[in-house]
Amino acid sequence: NAGVTQTPKFQVLKTGQSMTLQCAQDMNHEYMSWYRQDPGMGLRLIHYSVGAGITDQGEVPNGYNVSRSTTEDFPLRLLSAAPSQTSVYFCASSYSRAGELFFGEGSRLTVL
Amino acid sequence: KQEVTQIPAALSVPEGENLVLNCSFTDSAIYNLQWFRQDPGKGLTSLLLIQSSQREQTSGRLNASLDKSSGRSTLYIAASQPGDSATYLCASQGRVNTGKLIFGQGTTLQVKP
Repeated sequence: NAGVTQTPKFQVLKTGQSMTLQCAQDMNHEYMSWYRQDPGMGLRLIHYSVGAGITDQGEVPNGYNVSRSTTEDFPLRLLSAAPSQTSVYFCASSYSRAGELFFGEGSRLTVL
Repeated sequence: KQEVTQIPAALSVPEGENLVLNCSFTDSAIYNLQWFRQDPGKGLTSLLLIQSSQREQTSGRLNASLDKSSGRSTLYIAASQPGDSATYLCASQGRVNTGKLIFGQGTTLQVKP
């Protein structure tokens, strides 16, 4: 079972560049979310979606955009990367908002 | 605003020891609480999920308890093994079922052979 798949695993960007982190799940989960993990800050919620066509902001949404056109995919877009966005990004999904959360392996992003 | 705290930040024990990891939260009106395991360079793996109406959950050598009145959850690991070495994180979902989890910073456990 693939579960939650994130690509790329590693990425280096220059300040001002844009990119998209991809996330796909094959468990037919309605709920998907993006977190960033930083030393000393723990995991913080960026954006989440409770179903196709529905997204909402988490704790740290600034500088990130999301969309949910299908149940399977939930990409995270950085429009103009900043060094403060250097982090490890995790995508997670669950069958419902109250369900067990399944995480991807993470995408390590460095912004120079 | 909900805050989740895990103390200690690191713990080292000899193999075979029973141990308890602690998680405290400031808002007792939580919807549920989850415990996760994270290995270095990897994603998080869900260990146990406790709904607000439950007092505990068990899976193999793991037992998680929830005491909302005191704002505490504990993860009990029986007969620890070197393979249990990892970072353990707890996360709570607030009183409204939004799916938003607030994570603690984790306890890094080392089990020495």
